[in-house]
Amino acid sequence: EIVLTQSPGTLSLSPGERATLSCTASQSVFSNYLAWYQQKPGQAPRLLIYGASSRATGIPDRFGGSGSGTDFTLTISRLEPEDFAVYYCQQYGSSPWTFGQGTKVEIK
Amino acid sequence: EVQLVQSGAEVKKPGESLKISCKGSGYTFSNYWIAWVRQMPGKGLELMGTVYPGDSDAIYSPSFQGQVTISADKSISTAYLQWSSLKASDTAMYYCARCRRPYYKGAFDMWGQGTLVTVSA
Repeated sequence: EIVLTQSPGTLSLSPGERATLSCTASQSVFSNYLAWYQQKPGQAPRLLIYGASSRATGIPDRFGGSGSGTDFTLTISRLEPEDFAVYYCQQYGSSPWTFGQGTKVEIK
Repeated sequence: EVQLVQSGAEVKKPGESLKISCKGSGYTFSNYWIAWVRQMPGKGLELMGTVYPGDSDAIYSPSFQGQVTISADKSISTAYLQWSSLKASDTAMYYCARCRRPYYKGAFDMWGQGTLVTVSA
């Protein structure tokens, strides 16, 4: 089973700042089948990025995904008030598919 | 509009059985893999398993194999998650989610609103 480790656990930033979230896999993710999701309190997760770097439909271009192999990054170029949430990475290249433990982006 | 609508919240006692549902609409339900995801209170997301409604092929994550049953009825565009004997540790929010591309497994682009299951004596 591929273990995904997200860092940091919590990121304290101000609106307008840049956020950089990391997701490290215990082994290489097949075909970079790596997704990022955003979850706000009381809501279902929302797909942001798939295939490591492709934005999902309707996702603003301030969200960007990069990386390959075992190291992946989600970047939010300028934080908007609605971006403060928990972010999860997920690999779907190898069974069983697995999620990271999440990074909380909070207002500083 | 493409959507997944889940059944309502449940309160059960340990040892009881339960089946919750996820109904798809606005797309060809039989062509897209559906996953079930658990989120325990205050915790992260855990994939339980997936089902392909076209042929009811179900694949379980090791942690959930033998603990739950995942199924689908394509005639009514509905996927199911069921337990034969609930435990207090099954208390969680359960989400269904659709894989993004038809026929293929992949990232989840559509999620149900969640079903809260509470198991308490």
